[in-house]
Amino acid sequence: DGGITQSPKYLFRKEGQNVTLSCEQNLNHDAMYWYRQDPGQGLRLIYYSQIVNDFQKGDIAEGYSVSREKKESFPLTVTSAQKNPTAFYLCASSTGRTGGNQPQHFGDGTRLSIL
Amino acid sequence: DQQVKQNSPSLSVQEGRISILNCDYTNSMFDYFLWYKKYPAEGPTFLISISSIKDKNEDGRFTVFLNKSAKHLSLHIVPSQPGDSAVYFCAASAPHSSGDKLTFGTGTRLAVRP
Repeated sequence: DGGITQSPKYLFRKEGQNVTLSCEQNLNHDAMYWYRQDPGQGLRLIYYSQIVNDFQKGDIAEGYSVSREKKESFPLTVTSAQKNPTAFYLCASSTGRTGGNQPQHFGDGTRLSIL
Repeated sequence: DQQVKQNSPSLSVQEGRISILNCDYTNSMFDYFLWYKKYPAEGPTFLISISSIKDKNEDGRFTVFLNKSAKHLSLHIVPSQPGDSAVYFCAASAPHSSGDKLTFGTGTRLAVRP
């Protein structure tokens, strides 16, 4: 069954600690995305990658880092520089615009909280 | 700068009736619009989309209407069912912008009463 897997579902971070959220997809999608959702707000784009070994900052990239070493994987690191990391993090993937207008498909998210 | 706006944070509808969810946008470069449904603690699920070359797209109980001159789109659910109770997000993307990044509205929580 093809899909997007995010892990862990819940994550706790101590002050000053970096944490990494995992996102894996087996949909053979070229493009992958990380969004953040806060209560009462829409999803805001953190980083995106259209192809392996390439990624760009989204609207709220400060305090985050990513890598795209494999097509299937797009891990997000929340660094200690992110002062308000408590949020619901969503990973998505799509075929990208080269395939025409196609929707993004989302994983089930990781909820990050501060201890 | 909120380029995609959902001005109604919540909507309550009787089962079997029509649900109409609205969305306004300001960026005239948007050419692809989507609706997602989201349950608590889950990722959004794609529902239906529409390209700017069309003004209507229908898929079963779900119909999306696009009024480009008014920069407005709406999602109609007929008939509404209790399982439709969720938060609905509209989203939009523009060509040649940051891949196909989506700009989301803030969501409308739909409650369908039995």
